[in-house]
Amino acid sequence: TQLLEQSPQFLSIQEGENLTVYCNSSSVFSSLQWYRQEPGEGPVLLVTVVTGGEVKKLKRLTFQFGDARKDSSLHITAAQPGDTGLYLCAGVHHNQGGKLIFGQGTELSVKP
Amino acid sequence: GAVVSQHPSWVICKSGTSVKIECRSLDFQATTMFWYRQFPKQSLMLMATSNEGSKATYEQGVEKDKFLINHASLTLSTLTVTSAHPEDSSFYICSPQGGSNYGYTFGSGTRLTVV
Repeated sequence: TQLLEQSPQFLSIQEGENLTVYCNSSSVFSSLQWYRQEPGEGPVLLVTVVTGGEVKKLKRLTFQFGDARKDSSLHITAAQPGDTGLYLCAGVHHNQGGKLIFGQGTELSVKP
Repeated sequence: GAVVSQHPSWVICKSGTSVKIECRSLDFQATTMFWYRQFPKQSLMLMATSNEGSKATYEQGVEKDKFLINHASLTLSTLTVTSAHPEDSSFYICSPQGGSNYGYTFGSGTRLTVV
């Protein structure tokens, strides 16, 4: 059973388009993080959301944590080829001993 | 802060041999170490969690006798893949944790190819 359901798993869009990636769970998370990973490298943290309803912006990226702390979304405005990569959501479950649980990942390809 | 060094970055080994992967926290003490495995086009799957000086706790389906984890010091943990087989070929990533001040840090990963 996947604790964190991330969708879509693959996304191919044209430069300039907007997109949203979703991360959903039936469980409550103490915090949720979004990472970006390049091939052959470890994941790099983009943002951490902690408070229900929280919205954080990082340039063209907008991250939102659901009010009940069970879901999150990543919205990219005017995607660019440089945004291409694997995006991962990950959450700290409140009773999993601090383990970081990852969603399935979203492979994003932005074509010029 | 929170600098992590993982090596080797890639290794090719023959089937049946063992491979050791090292993970060092360079500027903080890692009381906990998480080891992940990632297959192509997939997400990170947690293999095991270890606390310094204690035996590792393995996730369901991960063979503890095959994936030996040593976390003898607060700055170094090793993962040894014993009697490697082609199906063990994967990308292995360590994640040392030094408490809430450092967040979740990750090594740069080790690409293991067993031939």
